[in-house]
Amino acid sequence: DAGVIQSPRHEVTEMGQEVTLRCKPISGHDYLFWYRQTMMRGLELLIYFNNNVPIDDSGMPEDRFSAKMPNASFSTLKIQPSEPRDSAVYFCASSSSRRETQYFGPGTRLLVL
Amino acid sequence: AQSVTQLGSHVSVSEGALVLLRCNYSSSVPPYLFWYVQYPNQGLQLLLKYTTGATLVKGINGFEAEFKKSETSFHLTKPSAHMSDAAEYFCAVAGSGAGSYQLTFGKGTKLSVIP
Repeated sequence: DAGVIQSPRHEVTEMGQEVTLRCKPISGHDYLFWYRQTMMRGLELLIYFNNNVPIDDSGMPEDRFSAKMPNASFSTLKIQPSEPRDSAVYFCASSSSRRETQYFGPGTRLLVL
Repeated sequence: AQSVTQLGSHVSVSEGALVLLRCNYSSSVPPYLFWYVQYPNQGLQLLLKYTTGATLVKGINGFEAEFKKSETSFHLTKPSAHMSDAAEYFCAVAGSGAGSYQLTFGKGTKLSVIP
């Protein structure tokens, strides 16, 4: 298996622009997670899906953030409008069941100028 | 609620020396515990995990960890450090609650290996 795939790997944008991050989970995994990693706050869970349904989005920082999972093999995390404080590494992870190992993608490094 | 505390944000050891990275957790239910490693500019990779059964867990790259319920600890060890072990290490706990699931990570410990 190719593992969790994320795109783009790097994104540089200007404040106010829309940013869309993409994730393809491991085939057969029912859970998908979006995390944000910063020096100040470490790893934070933003949202997770089970069978394409958002279960817990309490970690989404603001209404500017939204996530969708239209099918079992694709998810997006959108920031609109983006702000400099959104600069971070965003990880997608997937797992086969609750409390089981989460497999992480390589991350998307986002820089908002 | 659950939480993870990793003692020491930065640990330095000499090549060949013992590696000990500390992790304490809190959980209201029997926990699943994980150690992940993150190499520069990469995602997190699972080192090892504890779910049930044997409390001493062996992982990849010669690492192991012991679950001690009485001490609420899950410290990571390796007998002899190698230069390639230089990375950041994250301890995580998975609890459970009705209708929810969350993997809570510690702040991470950056391991440096001195030649």
